[in-house]
Amino acid sequence: QVQLVQSGAEVKRPGASVKISCKASKDSFPIYYIHWVRQAPGQGLEWLGVINLGGGSDFYAQRFRGRLTVTWDTSTSTVYLDLSRLRFDDTAIYFCARDGGSVGASKFDLWGQGSLVTVSS
Amino acid sequence: DIQMTQSPSSLSASVGDRVTITCQASHDISTSLNWYQQKPGRAPKLLIYEASNLETGVPSRFSGSGSGTEFTFTISSLQPEDVAKYYCQQYDMLPPSITFGQGTRLEIK
Repeated sequence: QVQLVQSGAEVKRPGASVKISCKASKDSFPIYYIHWVRQAPGQGLEWLGVINLGGGSDFYAQRFRGRLTVTWDTSTSTVYLDLSRLRFDDTAIYFCARDGGSVGASKFDLWGQGSLVTVSS
Repeated sequence: DIQMTQSPSSLSASVGDRVTITCQASHDISTSLNWYQQKPGRAPKLLIYEASNLETGVPSRFSGSGSGTEFTFTISSLQPEDVAKYYCQQYDMLPPSITFGQGTRLEIK
């Protein structure tokens, strides 16, 4: 089955860190890039960053640099998002998405089911 | 960063109507634009890529057009199952920079 399966909901205190996983099924390969997108309650979609599964290089949206890390574990076909120094406005559903675009193009053609992160004191 | 202005923010139409949503980019993005559909409680679904290409398995009533800074998404004959929020998305991969429009909520009259 072609799918990305994400970890479950998390509740964190402000200032803490959260780590979310996104496991790719065998049939979802080849995968070259995995992106992370989030959606605050009742709001639109916001791109966070991307990782190249081939070389492991990563790139983040400006506003998340310094507190966002995306990693890839080849042995388990799992991508991780690690967001530190959490704030109340980090409360959102976090989605991973496969980039199925051709060279120089991008399209998010397979999405995880989403992981809810709630930041609450 | 490139800003995307999507309009309208909400739209109500009857079954069978032709529906159009527009997206304007702050700079020329050629055809680096995708369209997604998101139903409540679900992940977004890719409908159109590179401005005008229909993703495999997506009904042909969905279409996209445009290049440069002006883009249009059209549903030729609205169906009840099309009730959703629709987003445009621009991309630049060198270096990666991706922006979504604010979304358009589509309802049935």
